[in-house]
Parts: sequence; structure tokens; C-alpha cells
Amino acid sequence: GQQLNQSPQSMFIQEGEDVSMNCTSSSIFNTWLWYKQDPGEGPVLLIALYKAGELTSNGRLTAQFGITRKDSFLNISASIPSDVGIYFCAGRPYNAGNMLTFGGGTRLMVKP
Amino acid sequence: DGGITQSPKYLFRKEGQNVTLSCEQNLNHDAMYWYRQDPGQGLRLIYYSQIVNDFQKGDIAEGYSVSREKKESFPLTVTSAQKNPTAFYLCASRHGDTEAFFGQGTRLTVV
Repeated sequence: GQQLNQSPQSMFIQEGEDVSMNCTSSSIFNTWLWYKQDPGEGPVLLIALYKAGELTSNGRLTAQFGITRKDSFLNISASIPSDVGIYFCAGRPYNAGNMLTFGGGTRLMVKP
Repeated sequence: DGGITQSPKYLFRKEGQNVTLSCEQNLNHDAMYWYRQDPGQGLRLIYYSQIVNDFQKGDIAEGYSVSREKKESFPLTVTSAQKNPTAFYLCASRHGDTEAFFGQGTRLTVV
């Protein structure tokens, strides 16, 4: 199936720092989603993007749907300890119905 | 409160045994999904169902089976044919234009 390349795989940052992660694909996507997963739990939707160029915020989180429709990024500003977890991008490929393809995740660790 | 419930949270299986993972939702969602998650990897689709009494194979359906006899329920059976069943299994549901809502997962370990 489709593959999404998510980077970085892991990040270890100091509390208060800003974080940036991204997802890229070789093909066009109609939808980009960003999820956060806490250990032993299911992913929770953070931000959904449906239009190329769209920039959406959710508190300290900001995500953008790349203008080429082949990428998306997620920024977290002023990180706090509870930001720790795994962040997944997911996309809905063009002409592939409703199925989602997931990136491999970015594991975020925050040092107080 | 509406939600999606997976049980059990942890499950141990002996080699050669079939086990069934439960997924129940009271969100009145039409579509339900099963994903498998391995360490350091993204979620991979096992099976999905868009309507009662109908389901489709995902990318990694071999060694798994499902049923959708009721709208609320979408159990997943991990059969003895699945050679590497140890993983974290996630169930999700979706309705209309909403995005998938996930359960809390079941961690299956083969002993």
C-alpha cells in the first residue's frame, strides 16, 4: 500500500522548546491528519486538514497541508511535559476512497 | 457517554490457539476498522466494515477473521495461521465525514 515517510523518528527536547515534525509522500493526498498516542492508549485526533495550503491551529499545535499535496507538518510551540507521546501523521490518498495511510510516528520526549 | 470499547486490555495466547478481540461502539457509527501496530511502525489496516454484514480485507488480513453481525460490534479473531500475532491491536469507528475515533487498544502477546 501507500507509504508515508514521517520524520524525525524521535526527538528529545527541553521543556519550553518548539518542535517540528513532518510527513511526506510520493503521491498526492486529499486529507492530512495528525494524531497523538499516549503509551498503551489509542491515537487521539489533534488536527485535520482538507485543503492544500490550509494552516490550522489547536492550542499550541499548528499543522499545515503542503501546497504540493504531498506533505504536511506539525509544529508544537513551547513544549510541556504532557506533550510526551507518539505523534502520527495519516493521509487519505487521492482516488483511494476513505482509507487512511499512517506514517511511522515521531516519538517525542520532553525533559523538564 | 458515547465511545468505543476494546476488551480485554491485555491478552495472552498460546501458540496454535485462536483468540478473539472485542470492539464495541455506541456512537452509532456505520464504519469500523481494525489496525495492527508494531513498535516503531505506523498502523496497518487488517479489516474494515462499512455496513452491517459486510466487511473487506485490508493490507494485512492473512491470519485474521472478522464478523459484523451488529452495527455496534466488530470482533477480530486472530487465528493460528497468523505467524506473528504479538502486537497492539486498535479498533476504530467512523461515520459520514467525521474522522476515525479509536479505542484504547488490546495488547496481544503469544506465550
